[in-house]
Amino acid sequence: RKEVEQDPGPFNVPEGATVAFNCTYSNSASQSFFWYRQDCRKEPKLLMSVYSSGNEDGRFTAQLNRASQYISLLIRDSKLSDSATYLCVVTFPEGGYNKLIFGAGTRLAVHP
Amino acid sequence: ETGVTQTPRHLVMGMTNKKSLKCEQHLGHNAMYWYKQSAKKPLELMFVYSLEERVENNSVPSRFSPECPNSSHLFLHLHTLQPEDSALYLCASSQERQLVTQYFGPGTRLTVL
Repeated sequence: RKEVEQDPGPFNVPEGATVAFNCTYSNSASQSFFWYRQDCRKEPKLLMSVYSSGNEDGRFTAQLNRASQYISLLIRDSKLSDSATYLCVVTFPEGGYNKLIFGAGTRLAVHP
Repeated sequence: ETGVTQTPRHLVMGMTNKKSLKCEQHLGHNAMYWYKQSAKKPLELMFVYSLEERVENNSVPSRFSPECPNSSHLFLHLHTLQPEDSALYLCASSQERQLVTQYFGPGTRLTVL
């Protein structure tokens, strides 16, 4: 079983649509959770952290369900510039530091 | 954005060549990382350096040899690579190994012929 699983997509949506990505993780000791964004042929960049209480940053809302080991990202009013791969990332302590485990990513393509 | 830089950006090498990848961070961080990203696979952590000491080696083959001469520079020395080593190699840095926000460089796209 993969440590972090994501639907690879691609999700093809029109501008203005609402789209949701899901992610599940296998290690119940995972401590911190993030969504990173990776544009084509570019490096990953932190999009937002994910908290149990849920958090929102503009059009982006992230949710965490520790009991189900499930993380989600909701994007409202999609823009063309949202087209990218979204990486789910979890951390857990190992060897005295917090190790980041990345999912393979979900690809989003927003079209006019 | 020039927080973390990597050179070269693209590299093509034969299986008998020796080359080095370079990473430099200008963020004042003291932990640096090498990751490998193959097509349609998750990023794989290869090496972690904290305060210039290696703290993680994820069973990476010895044909990859890291070097961290100071907290701002990180190298990955390559020799006798295989075609399956072709991938995007990403460097990242963070303030401390306990702090999870990592900042990535643009990567070196490596092709092994």
